[in-house]
Amino acid sequence: NAGVTQTPKFQVLKTGQSMTLQCAQDMNHNSMYWYRQDPGMGLRLIYYSASEGTTDKGEVPNGYNVSRLNKREFSLRLESAAPSQTSVYFCASTESGLPYEQYFGPGTRLTVT
Amino acid sequence: KNEVEQSPQNLTAQEGEFITINCSYSVGISALHWLQQHPGGGIVSLFMLSSGKKKHGRLIATINIQEKHSSLHITASHPRDSAVYICAVKPYWGRGGAAGNKLTFGGGTRVLVKP
Repeated sequence: NAGVTQTPKFQVLKTGQSMTLQCAQDMNHNSMYWYRQDPGMGLRLIYYSASEGTTDKGEVPNGYNVSRLNKREFSLRLESAAPSQTSVYFCASTESGLPYEQYFGPGTRLTVT
Repeated sequence: KNEVEQSPQNLTAQEGEFITINCSYSVGISALHWLQQHPGGGIVSLFMLSSGKKKHGRLIATINIQEKHSSLHITASHPRDSAVYICAVKPYWGRGGAAGNKLTFGGGTRVLVKP
């Protein structure tokens, strides 16, 4: 049971480049989330997905797109990276319904120069 | 003002000391989470609670719903407890599904335990 996995672990992009961050979970969770973590800002929700084929904006969605490919996978795409998107990105998953524990991936450290 | 405030922001303790981290929130909640993040590491859930007190090993979490306050205590602290501790709340929006499980996070408390 790998839990929540993310790839890549580290990435450096130039301004304007695009990339996709991958996330997968093997716990059969319905709900998945993408967060960014910046110094002094705490974790902020970018997008979330209640189930396959459904996505919703979170607190800071601008500059990002997401795809819930199937129940296991939830990807985050930066179409045209900007230095302001330098951050650590975490994917998380949880059951739907009652308040359930969220399980986090190991994070992707992204630097945009 | 942030919906979730943690104090202190930074804390240094000697090994063996008792540590307390506080979390105050301003919204109605259905659950509160305490998370741990080691330097350069991922985020691990320590506790999820909606009332009373929970204990796991040397860690104790309490919550007072009326006062909108929670504390995380570390007894007999050890250098391996050095980490950032994050409080997060699940606001009570009365909805289920992924929206209902959205969390609002505090800024974290950086704990350093010296040997």
